[in-house]
Amino acid sequence: EPEVTQTPSHQVTQMGQEVILRCVPISNHLYFYWYRQILGQKVEFLVSFYNNEISEKSEIFDDQFSVERPDGSNFTLKIRSTKLEDSAMYFCASREGQPQHFGDGTRLSIL
Amino acid sequence: GEDVEQSLFLSVREGDSSVINCTYTDSSSTYLYWYKQEPGAGLQLLTYIFSNMDMKQDQRLTVLLNKKDKHLSLRIADTQTGDSAIYFCAESYSDSWGKLQFGAGTQVVVTP
Repeated sequence: EPEVTQTPSHQVTQMGQEVILRCVPISNHLYFYWYRQILGQKVEFLVSFYNNEISEKSEIFDDQFSVERPDGSNFTLKIRSTKLEDSAMYFCASREGQPQHFGDGTRLSIL
Repeated sequence: GEDVEQSLFLSVREGDSSVINCTYTDSSSTYLYWYKQEPGAGLQLLTYIFSNMDMKQDQRLTVLLNKKDKHLSLRIADTQTGDSAIYFCAESYSDSWGKLQFGAGTQVVVTP
């Protein structure tokens, strides 16, 4: 069964550095999402992406964040200048109709 | 407001049925989901239900939806130790691009 894949599984970065989290959505899917889960907390929506542009974003998704679909397969989340509070698990998801399919996540640790 | 609420913890004996409850606030929700998360792992889709349905059954899982009370439940029959995990309820809104609003999760502990 096709699945959403995310790399790396764990990323450790110094505060203030830029980080790029990568996702390969399921190939025929058209809607893409990023969510995050701070340790011990619920999963929070960050951004949705459709037709090569952001369709919706949350208050969390400020100017430090950006998303891109640089080619036909990858979907990336960039955090420009990481802060300690960006430490979390980041999940990518995609869908065609329903349901949303999630990747296994990237654990981001900011030191 | 947009909020999905779940009880935080459920303890159940192996072989018994588990019932996990969820309430949501948006009457325009189109789909409601249950995801399972094991420690350190990703979100595994268990099942989902369209908001015009009352019930959906899939092997050991039964989802009940009471749209009037905005109440969703997940029943796991014959609970096994492998069912120990955090279970998240989530809803998607008809007026959004399909973003999901998650509850805080219910930790289910299955005891022998």
